[in-house]
Amino acid sequence: DQQVKQNSPSLSVQEGRISILNCDYTNSMFDYFLWYKKYPAEGPTFLISISSIKDKNEDGRFTVFLNKSAKHLSLHIVPSQPGDSAVYFCAASKNTGFQKLVFGTGTRLLVSP
Amino acid sequence: DTGVSQDPRHKITKRGQNVTFRCDPISEHNRLYWYRQTLGQGPEFLTYFQNEAQLEKSRLLSDRFSAERPKGSFSTLEIQRTEQGDSAMYLCASSPRVRLNTEAFFGQGTRLTVV
Repeated sequence: DQQVKQNSPSLSVQEGRISILNCDYTNSMFDYFLWYKKYPAEGPTFLISISSIKDKNEDGRFTVFLNKSAKHLSLHIVPSQPGDSAVYFCAASKNTGFQKLVFGTGTRLLVSP
Repeated sequence: DTGVSQDPRHKITKRGQNVTFRCDPISEHNRLYWYRQTLGQGPEFLTYFQNEAQLEKSRLLSDRFSAERPKGSFSTLEIQRTEQGDSAMYLCASSPRVRLNTEAFFGQGTRLTVV
């Protein structure tokens, strides 16, 4: 049972344009959502998060949007840079007192110059 | 470097052998997690420690797997009688107990190959 889904395995974008990565979840008990970036042979690096009490969180070029009614979140990267090329994982957790993260399968982003 | 440190980075072992991995979390973090990532998948939760207490274990953690965190500092993950299906990236993460929801910081992982 895949509780967190990233239906696009890959995304190609030109430098300077917007990258939009999508994530859907099925468990309505999730109340905290995170995006991680992963380069090959490295561990995931935290990018940005959002609590279920918000619908938007922004940090520099990165913005995460949360639509609770649709159980959908998205990560916007503007402008995209070649260094953003990596695998992006969406993750979710419930308010259980610790960070038991449920990850999606990832989207590979390629930003070309 | 004050990040999460894992050792070794790579391990190749023969089927049936035992292996042990080590994780050193960020020093002020009292929460420590182990995850496993296989090809084409996202990381999957294995187990969680708060200080030295192992508070939750996933059903993915079979009897051949054991994790410890003596004195609430570093942690070890041991796999006994390894099988080819154990081949994966084993990730350790830590987080502070500052507030309820906070990001977990991951190490670079230990890639296990069972031949």
